[in-house]
Amino acid sequence: EDQVTQSPEALRLQEGESSSLNCSYTVSGLRGLFWYRQDPGKGPEFLFTLYSAGEEKEKERLKATLTKKESFLHITAPKPEDSATYLCDVQAHTNQAGTALIFGKGTTLSVSS
Amino acid sequence: GAGVSQSPSNKVTEKGKDVELRCDPISGHTALYWYRQSLGQGLEFLIYFQGNSAPDKSGLPSDRFSAERTGGSVSTLTIQRTQQEDSAVYLCASNPESRLTYEQYFGPGTRLTVT
Repeated sequence: EDQVTQSPEALRLQEGESSSLNCSYTVSGLRGLFWYRQDPGKGPEFLFTLYSAGEEKEKERLKATLTKKESFLHITAPKPEDSATYLCDVQAHTNQAGTALIFGKGTTLSVSS
Repeated sequence: GAGVSQSPSNKVTEKGKDVELRCDPISGHTALYWYRQSLGQGLEFLIYFQGNSAPDKSGLPSDRFSAERTGGSVSTLTIQRTQQEDSAVYLCASNPESRLTYEQYFGPGTRLTVT
C-alpha cells in the first residue's frame, strides 16, 4: 500500500536554529513529490516540486532534497514568519495506469524569536 | 490575478441534511481537485476533473458524495444525508494543465460542521 509519513508531527525552533523536516514514502512508482506550506485557516501554498532522486530545489531559507525513499525540507536560520504547517504530497503511478495523490499529515513548525 | 475561490467559507448543518459546496477555479485552469482535511489528518483526495475527460472518482468515500463540473469551470461537491464524520475542511485546487505532475493552486476551503 502506498504510504507517506511526515516527521516530526510538530517542531519548535528558536529563530536562527536550523533544522530539517522529513517526508518518507513507499510507493510503487514516483511521479513527483510536492512540498506545500499551509497557514491556519488557509489552503496550502506550493513551495517545490521534485521528480527524481538527487534533485534539489532552493527558495530563500528553504531547500528541498529527494532520495528514492524520502525527501527533506531543510530550513536554514528560520524566522517567526516561517511558522506554518508543511505538507508533503506524493504523486505515484497506480496499477490501473492512473495516478494516486497522497498527502502526509504534515509537520507543524513554530519559530519563536 | 484572482485565485481559487470557495463558498461558503463555513457551513453548519444538521445530521441528515444535504449540502453543496462550490469551487471557482482559476480562469483557464483545466484540472480541478477536491480534498477533505480532517483535524490531525492529511489531505484526503476525493475527486479529480481533467478537462473533458471522465472524472477520477476513486477517492469518494461513499455514494453520499458526488461532484460535478459544469462548462469546464465551476465545480460543486454535494454531500447527501450528512453524518457527523463528514465534518472537515473541504479544499478545492486547480492547475493549468491536465497532467497531474504539476503544482496545485488551492482555495481557502469550506469548513463543514455537522451537528
